[in-house]
Amino acid sequence: DQQVKQNSPSLSVQEGRISILNCDYTNSMFDYFLWYKKYPAEGPTFLISISSIKDKNEDGRFTVFLNKSAKHLSLHIVPSQPGDSAVYFCAASWGNQFYFGTGTSLTVIP
Amino acid sequence: DTEVTQTPKHLVMGMTNKKSLKCEQHMGHRAMYWYKQKAKKPPELMFVYSYEKLSINESVPSRFSPECPNSSLLNLHLHALQPEDSALYLCASSQGFGRDYGYTFGSGTRLTVV
Repeated sequence: DQQVKQNSPSLSVQEGRISILNCDYTNSMFDYFLWYKKYPAEGPTFLISISSIKDKNEDGRFTVFLNKSAKHLSLHIVPSQPGDSAVYFCAASWGNQFYFGTGTSLTVIP
Repeated sequence: DTEVTQTPKHLVMGMTNKKSLKCEQHMGHRAMYWYKQKAKKPPELMFVYSYEKLSINESVPSRFSPECPNSSLLNLHLHALQPEDSALYLCASSQGFGRDYGYTFGSGTRLTVV
């Protein structure tokens, strides 16, 4: 059973607006969460992370929010740029195991 | 079935051993991938198989040997590994190479080389 879910396979956003990517998880043992960005034919590259003791982490245009009670994670990109067009994966871990969502393909329209 | 299954979950092997990692999916995906992930780092792409043919080999040492016996199965054969090869090995699949829709990761094999 998929422990980390990204229910929106794709998202289109106008340049300059906010992109919000969502992720839900089922295992309350997860204590570390990450977002990865992936271009075609490349491996995912790390974007931003958050530990379970926080509810927000910000890095430039990227902010990750964690709602532990809802088991929900979101990535906000403000303002969105055409170069942000890629597939975004959320991942969750505890112990030595990583679990990835299936990705959301973001298209930022110029 | 919407999962990528990797076995074993944990593996400890000596530097002279030969072992294999297995990855299986039954989603009809035609591209399968091996990644290596070291602690605190993002996954590094190792190999890509597209329609059971090796499409990408990211300059991986020959002590790692991939094999795709059929469209549902991907193996990674290990021989004469070094301690620095200890890592989490992730398998992934997608509907087609270069099309990331339906990209799915397995939960990985934690490999320790002693």
